[in-house]
Amino acid sequence: DTEVTQTPKHLVMGMTNKKSLKCEQHMGHRAMYWYKQKAKKPPELMFVYSYEKLSINESVPSRFSPECPNSSLLNLHLHALQPEDSALYLCASSQEFWGQFSGNTIYFGEGSWLTVV
Amino acid sequence: GENVEQHPSTLSVQEGDSAVIKCTYSDSASNYFPWYKQELGKRPQLIIDIRSNVGEKKDQRIAVTLNKTAKHFSLHITETQPEDSAVYFCAASKGTGGFKTIFGAGTRLFVK
Repeated sequence: DTEVTQTPKHLVMGMTNKKSLKCEQHMGHRAMYWYKQKAKKPPELMFVYSYEKLSINESVPSRFSPECPNSSLLNLHLHALQPEDSALYLCASSQEFWGQFSGNTIYFGEGSWLTVV
Repeated sequence: GENVEQHPSTLSVQEGDSAVIKCTYSDSASNYFPWYKQELGKRPQLIIDIRSNVGEKKDQRIAVTLNKTAKHFSLHITETQPEDSAVYFCAASKGTGGFKTIFGAGTRLFVK
């Protein structure tokens, strides 16, 4: 089962609101990701958690705050967003393994469509 | 950091023809190259991948080739069908304590 579940599927929020996006996976994967995707653009990496620790932050503005409560859950807390933050937010996970020829298949959730008004 | 260039941005083919999408990457340490297909309004889904110790991989009508020296990799779709119409993204990644997968800009494939 390659299922990554995201909630909510759609979210409309005002610029002064605080909301959260949630993600869950039960594949035993130890890496989890947040990507942002604008229309007609590729997914853009925001954050990577490896073994529940933040390992990569792609210089994302502090109005986006990730949280990894445990190895199966990943949250993205949103506060004081701007209209240009409206996008599809994709959660993903992968099974980390090391070695010279290691690979990293990312499995995406269905995404959360965010509209900031 | 890693940069992945993808061409063409749009590709239109007749049903039954072949389609080829090409990507180049900049970081010689990248060692894993997946391809994703994204249909309108849906999530990107892996269709095929290749690791740096392999030059070519095939799965039915889809094949991927990798030239590490030139830092090129390509997706080949044969006998295209209307359901192949979608956006295809190439990507490159390496393990650095949390894998960083960088995507190409995407190719919109139309099968007429």
